[in-house]
Amino acid sequence: QLQLQESGPGLVKPSETLSLTCTVSGGTIRSSTYYWGWVRQPPGKGLEWIGSVYYGGHSSYNPSLKSRVTLSEDTSKNQFSLKLSSVTAADTAVYYCARHSGPFSSSWFDPWGQGTLVTVSS
Amino acid sequence: QSVLTQPPSASGTPGQRVTISCSGSSSNVGINYVYWYQHLPGTAPKLLIYRNDQRPSGVPDRFSGSKSGTSASLAISGLRSEDAADYHCAAWDDSLSGFWVFGGGTKLTVL
Repeated sequence: QLQLQESGPGLVKPSETLSLTCTVSGGTIRSSTYYWGWVRQPPGKGLEWIGSVYYGGHSSYNPSLKSRVTLSEDTSKNQFSLKLSSVTAADTAVYYCARHSGPFSSSWFDPWGQGTLVTVSS
Repeated sequence: QSVLTQPPSASGTPGQRVTISCSGSSSNVGINYVYWYQHLPGTAPKLLIYRNDQRPSGVPDRFSGSKSGTSASLAISGLRSEDAADYHCAAWDDSLSGFWVFGGGTKLTVL
């Protein structure tokens, strides 16, 4: 059974870079079928897609975050990562990693990780 | 503010039927599939409905999805206490370069 687990610092200072890693177990990220995505949920708000990375390095991003987001994969560790630069308090959220297939318009996120809370504060 | 509009809350008593709405636009719900996720805070969100009205294996048939025009609905019949959770709708939006959009989530209370 495929499982995803987020990890990274729970506290990031304003203007710095948020870095999270998602470790995949029970399957490989070296797949030509699946994308590996990030979704966040700020406190009291809805979910927001951040972006997704595909084996081989191809990435797609939410236009609203694209200028600050970098996605990458490490197939040797079966992990994929998120970097979000120049963070502000508005980036405080629970961050989830999840798998989906393509094409995007007809795929869905499943499974998801349990999420990790990242707080942006000095 | 979320791109898709959901009521912030819904409630029902055990055994009742509850519906949760999800309103979008011609660039998302109007032309693409709608998905529903069930989420208990502190846990991983769970896929509930895919491609408007399809249930993944293991999801009870008490849960059903539908779509008409730019709106979609999730119906839960025979409400049970364990259905108390947050429910999120989602769709792909074809505007700009394309991106996933979600609703603000609906908190379902079982009275």
